Amino acid sequence: SQQGEEDPQALSIQEGENATMNCSYKTSINNLQWYRQNSGRGLVHLILIRSNEREKHSGRLRVTLDTSKKSSSLLITASRAADTASYFCATGGGTSYGKLTFGQGTILTVHP
Amino acid sequence: EPEVTQTPSHQVTQMGQEVILRCVPISNHLYFYWYRQILGQKVEFLVSFYNNEISEKSEIFDDQFSVERPDGSNFTLKIRSTKLEDSAMYFCASSEIAGALETQYFGPGTRLLVL
Repeated sequence: SQQGEEDPQALSIQEGENATMNCSYKTSINNLQWYRQNSGRGLVHLILIRSNEREKHSGRLRVTLDTSKKSSSLLITASRAADTASYFCATGGGTSYGKLTFGQGTILTVHP
Repeated sequence: EPEVTQTPSHQVTQMGQEVILRCVPISNHLYFYWYRQILGQKVEFLVSFYNNEISEKSEIFDDQFSVERPDGSNFTLKIRSTKLEDSAMYFCASSEIAGALETQYFGPGTRLLVL
C-alpha cells in the first residue's frame, strides 16, 4: 500500500452512530492531518496530530496516532447527515520540507 | 476567519493553450503550495514555495509548470501548454510557518478542463 492509505474506502452509517476511519502510512512523519472534502469542493482541515502526540480531540472528533504501527484513526462521534463527505489523511515531514502526502480517502455517508 | 481564495473556480481551455491559476493565500502565511486532484484520484502535491523560490517539487511539476508570487498577495500556477491529462482540480494551500510541521489551509480549488 502507499503512504497514507485509509480504510474503509466507504462507510455508511445512520445518524447518531459513531464513524471510525483508519489511515496507515509507511515512512517517518512529523505530523498527520485529517481533511474533509464535500463532493467536488475544497479540502477543509479538521485536525493535526504531531508525531509525539498519541491522541487529540476537537469537538466530536477524536484522532489517535500510533507511530509504532504507523497508523492513525479518526473517530466522529454522534454523526450527523452533514458529516457526509470524503475524509483524507495526509502525512507530512520525514525528508520532505512541506509536502503533504494524501491517502485515497474514506467516503462517509450518514443517513438521516 | 481568514481563508485561501482561488480564481477562477472553473476554467475550460483548449489543449496547447496556456492557463494561469490564481490564489490569494492567507495574509500572514509564508509558505505556499499547489496540489491537484484528478477526478476520482488522490490529492497530489505539485510544488511548495517559500521566500520567492521553490522549496520542493514533485515529478508532476515539469517544465510546463511554473509558479510565481507577482506581488504581496497573489500566488500563481502557470501551465504553459496544457495537455488533456492536466484536467483536474487544482488546490492552492498556505501555512504560517514550516509546512511540514504546521497546518496547511486549502483554497476551494480551480476545476480545469482541457479539451
